[in-house]
Amino acid sequence: AQSVTQLGSHVSVSEGALVLLRCNYSSSVPPYLFWYVQYPNQGLQLLLKYTSAATLVKGINGFEAEFKKSETSFHLTKPSAHMSDAAEYFCAVGFYNQGGKLIFGQGTELSVKP
Amino acid sequence: DVKVTQSSRYLVKRTGEKVFLECVQDMDHENMFWYRQDPGLGLRLIYFSYDVKMKEKGDIPEGYSVSREKKERFSLILESASTNQTSMYLCASILDRSDSNQPQHFGDGTRLSIL
Repeated sequence: AQSVTQLGSHVSVSEGALVLLRCNYSSSVPPYLFWYVQYPNQGLQLLLKYTSAATLVKGINGFEAEFKKSETSFHLTKPSAHMSDAAEYFCAVGFYNQGGKLIFGQGTELSVKP
Repeated sequence: DVKVTQSSRYLVKRTGEKVFLECVQDMDHENMFWYRQDPGLGLRLIYFSYDVKMKEKGDIPEGYSVSREKKERFSLILESASTNQTSMYLCASILDRSDSNQPQHFGDGTRLSIL
């Protein structure tokens, strides 16, 4: 069965520290991978998506993610956290010929301490 | 830029009421989706639609129905609201249903409370 797992429902980092949010997927076919961010009382915004052109994908606000097929992972990182990064982050996976449907992970809430 | 608009940000209804949540997109998108979002559960797909008058059940359709009479509008209906339907509801759309690598575009959500 196809699924997405985000390790850690809450992650707390200090301002300026590395951010690492983990995402693993389970699939027997090649996936399409996305990271979304949700700020309080808002909908989801696309941070980045994997396009198969490169395994390291750069997104908005300094975030990037690396696709590792052997580990079935698509972890999200940012070298230096900013207070404005505090939000909930969702990893999502889609598949060919599924009409754009996505399977979402449980979400990880990122807190940034001053 | 794509705009997905949900008619209400906050809604309070009573048990047993029929509740309508409206979603409109302005970019001629083909597919539209309704999700509910609950803490620790992420987003779960309720229904989606790939064309006018067409609908497909998602993972948790029980207690809900949908309507898509016009391409730009997708309505979620709670036939008889219950307290376990208190949640955040998110609408999304994509342009081309044949391209699975497109991102979905989301509205700001409706936080629904059933008393």
